[in-house]
Amino acid sequence: RKEVEQDPGPFNVPEGATVAFNCTYSNSASQSFFWYRQDCRKEPKLLMSVYSSGNEDGRFTAQLNRASQYISLLIRDSKLSDSATYLCVVNSPRDSNYQLIWGAGTKLIIKP
Amino acid sequence: EPEVTQTPSHQVTQMGQEVILRCVPISNHLYFYWYRQILGQKVEFLVSFYNNEISEKSEIFDDQFSVERPDGSNFTLKIRSTKLEDSAMYFCASSERDIYQVYYGYTFGSGTRLTVV
Repeated sequence: RKEVEQDPGPFNVPEGATVAFNCTYSNSASQSFFWYRQDCRKEPKLLMSVYSSGNEDGRFTAQLNRASQYISLLIRDSKLSDSATYLCVVNSPRDSNYQLIWGAGTKLIIKP
Repeated sequence: EPEVTQTPSHQVTQMGQEVILRCVPISNHLYFYWYRQILGQKVEFLVSFYNNEISEKSEIFDDQFSVERPDGSNFTLKIRSTKLEDSAMYFCASSERDIYQVYYGYTFGSGTRLTVV
């Protein structure tokens, strides 16, 4: 099983719709979780951290389910500018330290 | 907003040549990282650096790679003898404290696209 797994997509979604992605992780000792957004040929940018209680930032909601070892990202009222690849990142123990483990990303295309 | 700056934005080099990729992390950050992303693939960790030494490195970071903080502001990645498969986007990142990266993530530079021909 991959350490961090995402559906690669693409998710083709009409503007204004709600879309959700999941990401599963294999190490139950993982400590923190993030969603990054990456536009084509650009650097990843932190979208939001994912807290145990779930958190919301405007149209974006992130949830963590430790029992089932997955995190989710929900985007409401999607905009054309939301088109990007969404990267799930998990901070997992590796030897005596922690390391960010990256998913391969889910591609989202918002259509007018 | 503070930025991580990388130069050059694009470098083309011949196979077997040495390249140095440069990064200027955010000034009060203490932890520095290099990642790479081969086109169409996922982001891969290369190395982390703290207190003027490597703290972690991946299997990718073999003897061909080295990092340095020569002058207290720049953070460089050197590839001694480039191979075709080194072609990728190389991202530098920094964080204020190691414990913060557990919760707050990193700030990434805009990357250097390395093309080995």
